[in-house]
Amino acid sequence: GEDVEQSLFLSVREGDSSVINCTYTDSSSTYLYWYKQEPGAGLQLLTYIFSNMDMKQDQRLTVLLNKKDKHLSLRIADTQTGDSAIYFCAESLGGSQGNLIFGKGTKLSVKP
Amino acid sequence: DAGVIQSPRHEVTEMGQEVTLRCKPISGHNSLFWYRQTMMRGLELLIYFNNNVPIDDSGMPEDRFSAKMPNASFSTLKIQPSEPRDSAVYFCASSLIGRGYTFGSGTRLTVV
Repeated sequence: GEDVEQSLFLSVREGDSSVINCTYTDSSSTYLYWYKQEPGAGLQLLTYIFSNMDMKQDQRLTVLLNKKDKHLSLRIADTQTGDSAIYFCAESLGGSQGNLIFGKGTKLSVKP
Repeated sequence: DAGVIQSPRHEVTEMGQEVTLRCKPISGHNSLFWYRQTMMRGLELLIYFNNNVPIDDSGMPEDRFSAKMPNASFSTLKIQPSEPRDSAVYFCASSLIGRGYTFGSGTRLTVV
């Protein structure tokens, strides 16, 4: 069945770059998403990439998509303590129903 | 728009009691999702609706769980009778079909 895999933890120092990786299974996914969840809050859409793109940049965020390997990554440049959160990767299932499949989330800890 | 609105934010109830969680989606969105989040199992999709019609309820754990969407601006998730293992954060999300979700802030349910 469909599955989205992420590593559970990542720890970086303030000012360094963070790279969060994700693999997915549905090759017909139209969009792939990154969500951020801060403590005690809901998931917030951070960015997304259309499946015919290889890269998308938005200020400190860079999303890379390797469709052949079904690999998605999120790079955060100049990571700040406020970036500490859980980051979820999600793929949209093929077809028009629009159901997203989420990974278990990567907890990013930023040390000063 | 005020976003996806969930109520209550916190609910503490005794085992065996009925619990009703409420959700108001973003106006104009035509998909609504109910998720449950726990440390052990991560984010689980319980049920989702397209145009007020339940599409997939295979994630609903047991017959004790039921969800309704009587109109485009309101949905409920009911647990009757509640059990301690139902303790979790329950999220509602809405979207346009096939697009990224907007999540509510969640309801933290504790069943004692």
